[in-house]
Amino acid sequence: QSVLTQPPSVSGAPGQRVTISCTGSSSNIGAGYDVHWYQQFPGTAPTLLIYTNNNRPSGVPDRFSGSKSGTSASLAITGLQAEDEADYYCQSYDSSLSGSWVFGGGTKLTVL
Amino acid sequence: EVQLVESGGGLVQPGGSLRLSCAASGFTFSSYWMHWVRQAPGKGLVWVSHINNDGSSTNFADSVKGRFIISRDNTKNTLYLQMNSLRAEDTAVYYCGRDYSGFDLWGRGTLVTVSS
Repeated sequence: QSVLTQPPSVSGAPGQRVTISCTGSSSNIGAGYDVHWYQQFPGTAPTLLIYTNNNRPSGVPDRFSGSKSGTSASLAITGLQAEDEADYYCQSYDSSLSGSWVFGGGTKLTVL
Repeated sequence: EVQLVESGGGLVQPGGSLRLSCAASGFTFSSYWMHWVRQAPGKGLVWVSHINNDGSSTNFADSVKGRFIISRDNTKNTLYLQMNSLRAEDTAVYYCGRDYSGFDLWGRGTLVTVSS
């Protein structure tokens, strides 16, 4: 069971808006640690999609946005496109015990 | 070209050892913290280990603590993961990742299979 909780799957039709939640606790997101989001296509390595809560690396369309509030974070995708179908992971740092970097369990986005 | 290339994966028996390497190129390797992240077949990403830029500080997930050793050679621009006492549950694709406001650069991964 992951320290950060994501829905296993979300879906939406082309053109729609979808959001993916990432719920943490007072030892990670709630402690103020940054949240990052990754996109992964089958058989390939993950790539950084959103860094430091709400920033897009060069080349990432502005259809992708991130937000953070309290012990949770969210990834929003607007104008959904077929090529957005992928797995999405949130990631942060957790200060409990000896401290560690943590990922959410991942969310499979299906474009209907 | 800025890239990370993992190597050293393969089939190993339970209780065996394996050393993974991650060759960095196109950037100043010694300036960055580095990580290993793994992904079991059909499963999600799991952080494994971290090392700071000069190798003086390391961290491990509880599941590998005492069995895995992370190190780096900044003269060779290479990150390592020495994996000992391997178990079936260590079977996964192992990725190395560069830490810069998130894991901003990933290798393609190397598959480790622990099976008799």
